[in-house]
Amino acid sequence: DAGVIQSPRHEVTEMGQEVTLRCKPISGHDYLFWYRQTMMRGLELLIYFNNNVPIDDSGMPEDRFSAKMPNASFSTLKIQPSEPRDSAVYFCASSPSGLSYEQYFGPGTRLTVT
Amino acid sequence: SQQGEEDPQALSIQEGENATMNCSYKTSINNLQWYRQNSGRGLVHLILIRSNEREKHSGRLRVTLDTSKKSSSLLITASRAADTASYFCATDQNSGYALNFGKGTSLLVTP
Repeated sequence: DAGVIQSPRHEVTEMGQEVTLRCKPISGHDYLFWYRQTMMRGLELLIYFNNNVPIDDSGMPEDRFSAKMPNASFSTLKIQPSEPRDSAVYFCASSPSGLSYEQYFGPGTRLTVT
Repeated sequence: SQQGEEDPQALSIQEGENATMNCSYKTSINNLQWYRQNSGRGLVHLILIRSNEREKHSGRLRVTLDTSKKSSSLLITASRAADTASYFCATDQNSGYALNFGKGTSLLVTP
């Protein structure tokens, strides 16, 4: 398996624009997680899904952020409108069911909002 | 919310030395995990220790867990330059699947 795939790897956009980040989890994994990493706040869990259903979105910073998982092999994180304080590295991770609880991270998307 | 707090924030050692990183957390856990992150990359799982375990080994890694003190330590023995990375502890939320990460310990191993 190719591992968790994220696109794009880098995104530079202007304030006010819509940004869509994409993730393809590892085949067969039932859990999908979106994280945001900044120097100031570290790694924050934004939302996670189980079998394509959002389980906990309490980490989503505000209504400008939304996430979907239309099927088991694809998820999006959308920011609309984007703001400079959204600049961060966004990671997607997936995990199989069972008791291993190990999460497999993608390479991340570095977002810069100017 | 972040529950795990690593200590120290940064650690610099020479190859061959041992590196010890500590993690403290605030509420009860089911398990605790350690991850490594190389610069510009995603996190990689290293080891998981369950709340009923006190010590676990994996290669050059040794993890301890003291639930009474709500703390864990990661020991890397005979460090190598390739061990240079940031190390994070992660504690589980109720389900065991959602994790809270600390801000990490940045380890530099010089040849």
